[in-house]
Amino acid sequence: EVQLLESGGDLAQPGGSLRLSCVGSGFTFSDYGMSWVRQAPGKALEWVSGAIGSGGSTYYADSVRGRFTISRDNPKKTLLLQINSLRAEDTAVYFCVRSSYYFHHYGMDVWGQGTTVTVSS
Amino acid sequence: QSALTQPASVSGSPGQSITISCTGTSSDVGGYDSVSWHQQHPGKAPKVLIHDVSNRPSGVSNRFSGSKSGNTASLTISGLQAEDEADYYCSSYISPNAHVFGGGTKLTVL
Repeated sequence: EVQLLESGGDLAQPGGSLRLSCVGSGFTFSDYGMSWVRQAPGKALEWVSGAIGSGGSTYYADSVRGRFTISRDNPKKTLLLQINSLRAEDTAVYFCVRSSYYFHHYGMDVWGQGTTVTVSS
Repeated sequence: QSALTQPASVSGSPGQSITISCTGTSSDVGGYDSVSWHQQHPGKAPKVLIHDVSNRPSGVSNRFSGSKSGNTASLTISGLQAEDEADYYCSSYISPNAHVFGGGTKLTVL
């Protein structure tokens, strides 16, 4: 069974940092592009960042570019998201999502269960 | 990147068919066969119903189908059931190098 399991969400102060992790199982992790998608309370889904299967190319939404860094550790089947300079508007559930293929420009086909980030002093 | 346009709400009676539209531009929906449809029940993680316009993941009911014409994609749910009541989101790759979601559609089963 294909599964994605996120962790790392926490209560953090404005200006602080967090690192989110997502471990994949049930599939060859390096064969698929991956993304992070977030959902603020009561709001729609928002794509945040993505990476192709190798991790050699990475992409960011304008709203997070320069503060967020996505990376992959394929031998450990892990997708990472480093979040710096946290803002209140980063408060959301963060989901790890698999692309249907190696590259970034394909659709999404599997979601994780999410991890919650709350930014507050 | 502007969100894809979905109706805020749709409704239908059990057994009926409904269609949810998702309108974008030639830079996203119209330019790439990457539209996915996601179902989200309250307090739960989203679940993919359709990926890459019309592909159904293993385990998803064949009552769900997807299509695309020009800049508009559509999700059709046939034989509506009570458990289909949920929020539905479309998504698409958008040039260059990003993805975009619709604002979501709340489906009510009457």
